[in-house]
Amino acid sequence: QKEVEQNSGPLSVPEGAIASLNCTYSDRGSQSFFWYRQYSGKSPELIMFIYSNGDKEDGRFTAQLNKASQYVSLLIRDSQPSDSATYLCAVNSRGGADGLTFGKGTHLIIQP
Amino acid sequence: GAVVSQHPSRVICKSGTSVKIECRSLDFQATTMFWYRQFPKQSLMLMATSNEGSKATYEQGVEKDKFLINHASLTLSTLTVTSAHPEDSSFYICSASWTGDTQYFGPGTRLTVL
Repeated sequence: QKEVEQNSGPLSVPEGAIASLNCTYSDRGSQSFFWYRQYSGKSPELIMFIYSNGDKEDGRFTAQLNKASQYVSLLIRDSQPSDSATYLCAVNSRGGADGLTFGKGTHLIIQP
Repeated sequence: GAVVSQHPSRVICKSGTSVKIECRSLDFQATTMFWYRQFPKQSLMLMATSNEGSKATYEQGVEKDKFLINHASLTLSTLTVTSAHPEDSSFYICSASWTGDTQYFGPGTRLTVL
């Protein structure tokens, strides 16, 4: 059974610091990895995706992927109070048009 | 770009009635649409995958006769919850994809069955 694990938190980070969010997945054949942000009562919003081992940067966000360790992370630099939300890690196991397997999410709190 | 809409955003109905939820891709043609469900404090769970003109593929444990999915065009998919019961109360979210990989989510429909 495919599983995606995340620490539920809450993770509390001071404003301006780096927030580090982690995710592990069980299906070694997984091909695509996504980070979504979800505010309370709202649907998920795509932050970024990563397919290859290594780092991928987009503005204040950096996704890191290590397939050997089955580990994905998201770094948020210069954290802002508006970054406070639940961050969902999602995995596409087969590639192509396949449904995503989501983790339960990490609740991030940025303290002003 | 990549805007997905859902209608209605919120619905309250009596037990035993049927509810239809629409999902539209507004600025792209979606080769595939997905339906997810999210209970309070839980993550999203995939219910089914639908491709335009084809029968939907349901995940294990999801009753296809209860959750009817129609994907009539490249921009519209509908989910009908038939004979809804209180345990069907949840946040239903659709997503759409044209790349075959990245999914863009609609704003969700909150269903409350009394």
